Amino acid sequence: ELKVEQNPLFLSMQEGKNYTIYCNYSTTSDRLYWYRQDPGKSLESLFVLLSNGAVKQEGRLMASLDTKARLSTLHITAAVHDLSATYFCAVDAITGTYKYIFGTGTRLKVLA
Amino acid sequence: NAGVTQTPKFQVLKTGQSMTLQCAQDMNHNSMYWYRQDPGMGLRLIYYSASEGTTDKGEVPNGYNVSRLNKREFSLRLESAAPSQTSVYFCASRVSGGAGEFFGPGTRLTVL
Repeated sequence: ELKVEQNPLFLSMQEGKNYTIYCNYSTTSDRLYWYRQDPGKSLESLFVLLSNGAVKQEGRLMASLDTKARLSTLHITAAVHDLSATYFCAVDAITGTYKYIFGTGTRLKVLA
Repeated sequence: NAGVTQTPKFQVLKTGQSMTLQCAQDMNHNSMYWYRQDPGMGLRLIYYSASEGTTDKGEVPNGYNVSRLNKREFSLRLESAAPSQTSVYFCASRVSGGAGEFFGPGTRLTVL
């Protein structure tokens, strides 16, 4: 059964601290996607990682992909309150099918 | 561009009633998707359409039907609503494999 697991599920951290969210998946997909969802809102695409070793950065967030380990990380540097949201990773269920499977999400709360 | 639009935004149904959720995108995307999101959970794929004229089942298709009316529009129908279908429904589209998805604002559905 295809699985996409994120940890931690909940994360409460102080402003200014660093932390990493992990996304493990069980397919052979070489593509991984990160999304952000604010409470009561829709999802917004953050990063698209298309190959082994891909690294993308936007502001205080950096995402990387290791397809051999079937692992992606979302690293938060010097967190600020505005980063409080739920973060989801997703993978292509089977390459070329255009079918996504989402992880369970990590709810991040940054405390002032 | 409006992006991905969904109607209605909110709906309350009684058990056994039917309804159709509408979704349209103006980005000329090939692939369109319907997801449901239950409280505190990730997204689960109901149906998707890789291209105009094709539809395929996702993880949780039971109790739903879809129609890809044209390249822009993808509707989701509940023939006989059940309380277990109470959820937030998101429509999404993407241009092709390897691209991130654009999500609509969601439809909050309650079945009594």
